[in-house]
Amino acid sequence: GENVEQHPSTLSVQEGDSAVIKCTYSDSASNYFPWYKQELGKGPQLIIDIRSNVGEKKDQRIAVTLNKTAKHFSLHITETQPEDSAVYFCALYNQGGKLIFGQGTELSVKP
Amino acid sequence: GAVVSQHPSRVICKSGTSVKIECRSLDFQATTMFWYRQFPKQSLMLMATSNEGSKATYEQGVEKDKFLINHASLTLSTLTVTSAHPEDSSFYICSASIAPGTSLRDTQYFGPGTRLTVL
Repeated sequence: GENVEQHPSTLSVQEGDSAVIKCTYSDSASNYFPWYKQELGKGPQLIIDIRSNVGEKKDQRIAVTLNKTAKHFSLHITETQPEDSAVYFCALYNQGGKLIFGQGTELSVKP
Repeated sequence: GAVVSQHPSRVICKSGTSVKIECRSLDFQATTMFWYRQFPKQSLMLMATSNEGSKATYEQGVEKDKFLINHASLTLSTLTVTSAHPEDSSFYICSASIAPGTSLRDTQYFGPGTRLTVL
């Protein structure tokens, strides 16, 4: 079935630096790619998503890029702040219509 | 908009008892709701998909008689863990999709989760 590989599993940055998380997938039919942020003890929160007809989407300090040819999409967080510390999950829908999650990236932003 | 609530947020029960978790879409109608399970430091694993007015579809390896799902209305789905055992202790999260026909139909909105501890 569809698989999503997410890297890195942990990421530590200094406040103000940028953070990049990358996900690769195998099914070229995938066309919707959301990113979720999960804080400790809480449910995932949709922070940004992109569809296959768009190469990049930005929302303030967060951006997502999609390379359909290479089958990867990335989350970019600029000017990181301590409150950005959380676990981030990429996801996509498989052909059965189920949301498949990456393994997660634990981001730590040090003040 | 697109808020999903869960109740309770945490529950502790004795082994052998049943626990019901509610998932509600507060400001939109959800024809489809999903139930996930998450163990510490792991990703979310889909347990079942429920559509309003019909039987839930369970993922391979998930016991339908143990995890009873009811989706009685467009805003409410319930998960009942029957005869709970310590190995059922986990973080249970629901999500909801906006009714088809809208441009946001692919988006899943997640609830805050329910921490179940079975003693």
